[in-house]
Amino acid sequence: QVQLVQSGSELKKPGASVRISCKASGYMFTTYAINWVRQAPGQGLEWMGWINTNTGDPTYAQGFTGRFVFSWDTSVSTAYLQISSLRPEDTAVYYCAGWRPASMVFWFDPWGQGTLVTVSS
Amino acid sequence: QSALTQPASVSGSPGQSITISCTGTSSDVGGYNFVSWYQQHPGKAPKLMIYDVSNRPSGISNRFSGSKSGNTASLTISGLQAEDEADYYCISYTSGNTPFVFGIGTKVTVL
Repeated sequence: QVQLVQSGSELKKPGASVRISCKASGYMFTTYAINWVRQAPGQGLEWMGWINTNTGDPTYAQGFTGRFVFSWDTSVSTAYLQISSLRPEDTAVYYCAGWRPASMVFWFDPWGQGTLVTVSS
Repeated sequence: QSALTQPASVSGSPGQSITISCTGTSSDVGGYNFVSWYQQHPGKAPKLMIYDVSNRPSGISNRFSGSKSGNTASLTISGLQAEDEADYYCISYTSGNTPFVFGIGTKVTVL
């Protein structure tokens, strides 16, 4: 079935970098664009942006420019989120979620299971 | 871009119906029929419950329904069950600089 599987939890020190992966299966990778969504502890969902899996073009939401980078590797059907210069306030669960703009599908499905990133000294 | 407005919490007794509102503007909720709703249980990923305002994906109970009037979309849960206790989020397509705007989330409590 169509699914997204994310990499495991990460514990990082402030100032370090982290890369989260989101591997697609059950469909042709370029069919779905990939969104990234952040959820800080006890908080709501926050849209970070998306990457066009056909072109690799990223779009970043306000507040997620500079330290956040979306990338992709079609050969392994995987999207990536890299966060550099980590801060304690980056501690959150990060989700990837698919959508299909080319098919006028403007909802998020499937979702990855989430990746917890903890930033602590 | 401002988040969509949702009530912080809604509660109801088993068997009752509850409605969660999601208020935006004419640039998002009011301008497009691209509102979707998600259920999130603690420690779990969000789950699509309603898409395009009022459509249910395969496998979603018909106790869940969606509607829209003007700039406000609504999710109604009828015949409330204990398993419905969760957080619910709306998401709308928008004509702003970026394509999506999220609701702030509503905690549903089954009394």
